[in-house]
Amino acid sequence: SQQGEEDPQALSIQEGENATMNCSYKTSINNLQWYRQNSGRGLVHLILIRSNEREKHSGRLRVTLDTSKKSSSLLITASRAADTASYFCATGTYGGSQGNLIFGKGTKLSVKP
Amino acid sequence: GAGVSQTPSNKVTEKGKYVELRCDPISGHTALYWYRQSLGQGPEFLIYFQGTGAADDSGLPNDRFFAVRPEGSVSTLKIQRTERGDSAVYLCASSQLAGSEQFFGPGTRLTVL
Repeated sequence: SQQGEEDPQALSIQEGENATMNCSYKTSINNLQWYRQNSGRGLVHLILIRSNEREKHSGRLRVTLDTSKKSSSLLITASRAADTASYFCATGTYGGSQGNLIFGKGTKLSVKP
Repeated sequence: GAGVSQTPSNKVTEKGKYVELRCDPISGHTALYWYRQSLGQGPEFLIYFQGTGAADDSGLPNDRFFAVRPEGSVSTLKIQRTERGDSAVYLCASSQLAGSEQFFGPGTRLTVL
């Protein structure tokens, strides 16, 4: 089963614009991670934010986490055509093995040159 | 190697056959994960190893699926009596510790005819 749900499902923007993707989840989490996937194959880790953090930056990426609303957002600033990909949020949950990630369905981002 | 590798990259088999998918994690990573991704969906967790033992196999869909990691490094996912519904991309990931950033391989695309 999948816990996270990204919004929107698809996003099309022009190069240079900012892209914002949102993720909602259902249960308590240890951390939330964002991944990028090109062409339906290997996922690339972008950023990890812990449940006690509210905001994190990495280059052109900004991630926020609101545990009271069980939601997160990923902002990509000054987008480039190379940012075209699918973006997934994944939650690491409390309990159990604390190992596996639960992924959402992803947002398909298209950046037009 | 520099990253997680998976072989084969593509596997086409007939319904009812047995298949093995291999994952070579990053050297020194104690945790290894298998996920399955269907078209248009996010990856779904199958099984997680900590060392040689399966710490959590709750994601395996049924007893046709089995995975091993006998020496705590390479892992093999085994699927018996394959069904058309098993067709998907099978992704492997490893992390230094459970709950830390997971590094994904390129995946094996399994097609069951």
